[in-house]
Amino acid sequence: AQSVAQPEDQVNVAEGNPLTVKCTYSVSGNPYLFWYVQYPNRGLQFLLKYITGDNLVKGSYGFEAEFNKSQTSFHLKKPSALVSDSALYFCAVRDGRSGNTGKLIFGQGTTLQVKP
Amino acid sequence: GAGVSQSPRYKVAKRGQDVALRCDPISGHVSLFWYQQALGQGPEFLTYFQNEAQLDKSGLPSDRFFAERPEGSVSTLKIQRTQQEDSAVYLCASSATAGGYNEQFFGPGTRLTVL
Repeated sequence: AQSVAQPEDQVNVAEGNPLTVKCTYSVSGNPYLFWYVQYPNRGLQFLLKYITGDNLVKGSYGFEAEFNKSQTSFHLKKPSALVSDSALYFCAVRDGRSGNTGKLIFGQGTTLQVKP
Repeated sequence: GAGVSQSPRYKVAKRGQDVALRCDPISGHVSLFWYQQALGQGPEFLTYFQNEAQLDKSGLPSDRFFAERPEGSVSTLKIQRTQQEDSAVYLCASSATAGGYNEQFFGPGTRLTVL
């Protein structure tokens, strides 16, 4: 089955501390993985993607993600959290069954709360 | 700006009414997706266009849902005889290429409330 799991509904971290938002996936074929962020009343904004190559992917706003094939994980990380990072984060995987359409399967989302 | 735009941003419909939701993708983008996002959930795929061709409509929940992209640019998602369970945010996304290997750019969404 094609699926994405974000095991934490909410992550709380103090400003300046490192943050991790967890994601695990199940997909047919090679995994193509994405992280998006959603602010209230706004659409999803692309953060970063893993297609192939280095397991550590760097993205927008200082975020990075680590691809781990053996653990089928793609955790989002940031060395030093900002209050402005507080938002809803979605992990997504390209549906490997979809042929050439490339539709995404999303996780349920994780709310990140960064406290000053 | 040059991003994906959607209109209206908010739509309130009485049960049984028909609604039409518009998406203006980024100019030149080949791929266009519609997703439905229920409250507190991640987006779920509805349908996909490659240029003007609707290649995948497997996510449309019923035959009351219909989408088109006649000239390969603007797309419209139509919902006939709306039901309360149709209440959700409808997101449109476009991507420069086919295949889903590049990021999708999302619009702000249309929040549909069916009374």
